[in-house]
Amino acid sequence: AQSVTQLDSQVPVFEEAPVELRCNYSSSVSVYLFWYVQYPNQGLQLLLKYLSGSTLVESINGFEAEFNKSQTSFHLRKPSVHISDTAEYFCAVISQGAQKLVFGQGTRLTINP
Amino acid sequence: NAGVMQNPRHLVRRRGQEARLRCSPMKGHSHVYWYRQLPEEGLKFMVYLQKENIIDESGMPKERFSAEFPKEGPSILRIQQVVRGDSAAYFCASSPPLGGLGEQYFGPGTRLTVT
Repeated sequence: AQSVTQLDSQVPVFEEAPVELRCNYSSSVSVYLFWYVQYPNQGLQLLLKYLSGSTLVESINGFEAEFNKSQTSFHLRKPSVHISDTAEYFCAVISQGAQKLVFGQGTRLTINP
Repeated sequence: NAGVMQNPRHLVRRRGQEARLRCSPMKGHSHVYWYRQLPEEGLKFMVYLQKENIIDESGMPKERFSAEFPKEGPSILRIQQVVRGDSAAYFCASSPPLGGLGEQYFGPGTRLTVT
């Protein structure tokens, strides 16, 4: 069975500051890793994913995440946040060959002007 | 190319009534998943369906909840005799026939409120 832990339930930062949202997972088998973003009163949108290959993956809006197998982590980072990044961010894993996403509890990112 | 569609977006039911939530997957997708998001929590898997088949219902409560994905029409999540604890956001996701390497595309959700 897999589990995902997002260590911070809320992260407040100032606009243009850097941010890191932490995600650790546990699994006895190989997994794929995802970050989803949920804007207020909306559904989930895929932000970025790690399937294989380069351990650093990037999104089109400046976020990046690095897969660290030894630390079983997939932390999400952005060097400079905008007000529009205010949302809830969910880390998720799925076992290779499986069909069930396992989500973390979510991290609420609040950007202050 | 329309995304995953869910309706209604908001549903209010009194205790004891039935709730029916609908999900139309993305065009070309034949796998449907239902997840529930309780207040202040992450999403929890409920059920995975393919056309006319329930593949994995390990996350479904044992009573009052059922799901189907008929040959024609949307997938339906049905909750009978709703209770206050059923109040949550219910999200549907879909993926292509070969599973899409774990990628699932989510609908906007149905927010169920039980009064």
